[in-house]
Amino acid sequence: DQQVKQNSPSLSVQEGRISILNCDYTNSMFDYFLWYKKYPAEGPTFLISISSIKDKNEDGRFTVFLNKSAKHLSLHIVPSQPGDSAVYFCAADQTGANNLFFGTGTRLTVIP
Amino acid sequence: DAGITQSPRHKVTETGTPVTLRCHQTENHRYMYWYRQDPGHGLRLIHYSYGVKDTDKGEVSDGYSVSRSKTEDFLLTLESATSSQTSVYFCAISELLDSYEQYFGPGTRLTVT
Repeated sequence: DQQVKQNSPSLSVQEGRISILNCDYTNSMFDYFLWYKKYPAEGPTFLISISSIKDKNEDGRFTVFLNKSAKHLSLHIVPSQPGDSAVYFCAADQTGANNLFFGTGTRLTVIP
Repeated sequence: DAGITQSPRHKVTETGTPVTLRCHQTENHRYMYWYRQDPGHGLRLIHYSYGVKDTDKGEVSDGYSVSRSKTEDFLLTLESATSSQTSVYFCAISELLDSYEQYFGPGTRLTVT
């Protein structure tokens, strides 16, 4: 049973516009959330994270929003650049669980 | 980039044969993890290690064993490979107990025929 879900397998956005990637989770015990970016033939790389005590975290062009009541988080990329084209994985963690739960990924394509 | 290498990067093997994948790190991180990535499932944790000779099972550990005799090396063994173990395998490391920010290796693509 997938505890972290990314319901959009792909997303295409024009360069310079906003990219919004969504993620839903079912386990209310999750207290830390992360986004990873993955290029072909490479391992995922950490992008940004947010603790459950916050509802927003920003790092340059990347902002993650967390809505705990809806069990939903989103990643905003503004402005989108062609180099952002990759697969983005959402992940969730529960303190003490030693197990990151990943979503299935969303492939973002930024069109020049 | 974190110093993590995986070997081999690609392997094709036959059903029933044993296979060992190696993860090597130069970061001296305490925690090491093995994941598999499959379409429709994202990444799933197989086993992890919290120190030399200290390992534990993850979400999908059946059919896999691990060993860690040195801080820098974490081995994943498929005792008798099956076609359902065809996947891309990623090793990851972290400094902190609660996983949070893990650093991943480049992956090993394993095909079991």
